[in-house]
Amino acid sequence: ETGVTQTPRHLVMGMTNKKSLKCEQHLGHNAMYWYKQSAKKPLELMFVYSLEERVENNSVPSRFSPECPNSSHLFLHLHTLQPEDSALYLCASSQDEVAGYTQYFGPGTRLTVL
Amino acid sequence: AQSVTQLDSQVPVFEEAPVELRCNYSSSVSVYLFWYVQYPNQGLQLLLKYLSGSTLVESINGFEAEFNKSQTSFHLRKPSVHISDTAEYFCAVSDSSSNTGKLIFGQGTTLQVKP
Repeated sequence: ETGVTQTPRHLVMGMTNKKSLKCEQHLGHNAMYWYKQSAKKPLELMFVYSLEERVENNSVPSRFSPECPNSSHLFLHLHTLQPEDSALYLCASSQDEVAGYTQYFGPGTRLTVL
Repeated sequence: AQSVTQLDSQVPVFEEAPVELRCNYSSSVSVYLFWYVQYPNQGLQLLLKYLSGSTLVESINGFEAEFNKSQTSFHLRKPSVHISDTAEYFCAVSDSSSNTGKLIFGQGTTLQVKP
């Protein structure tokens, strides 16, 4: 595997389900990000992890719970979601400020909440 | 606070014609600027970036963008587009002193290349 991978690519869940999104980066980076991409809206930053520590939470509802067990893996745990949470969830990673924190994105998980 | 405005939501153009996708930003601090491209059902791919130095930056597939500090712009140009350039293009800005690299994105511009 190369770059940033995300699984699953597609997910359909009910409002009472619990599911998790997984992101893995193979670039040796030390920061990871979750973004939400909804139709007709700009990409929204959700969380930032640097060296496995959460450094930014962009006012995300508690039904989204991130986890970063190591610098290569990032999870987004989902529970009791709402239909408006349906979106493309993108993971990204970056190295330090030498490269301006240039972010490289995964292919995304298309989430549909019924 | 920073913001990014992409002035055109859709840009239709014929194959082999030149194109310009406009991006303006607002920031009270020094910035880094990025253009990403998103093909259908895919994630974002980095197209080019401005961090410092020459204000004209180029990508490997013929796109270029010029950082204009006085006009707070970072327009993307290509002298001759191909059908395969059809995609959505996002301009993004980050605070150059940030310790997280937080990106603020524009709404995106859909480039539609017609034969």
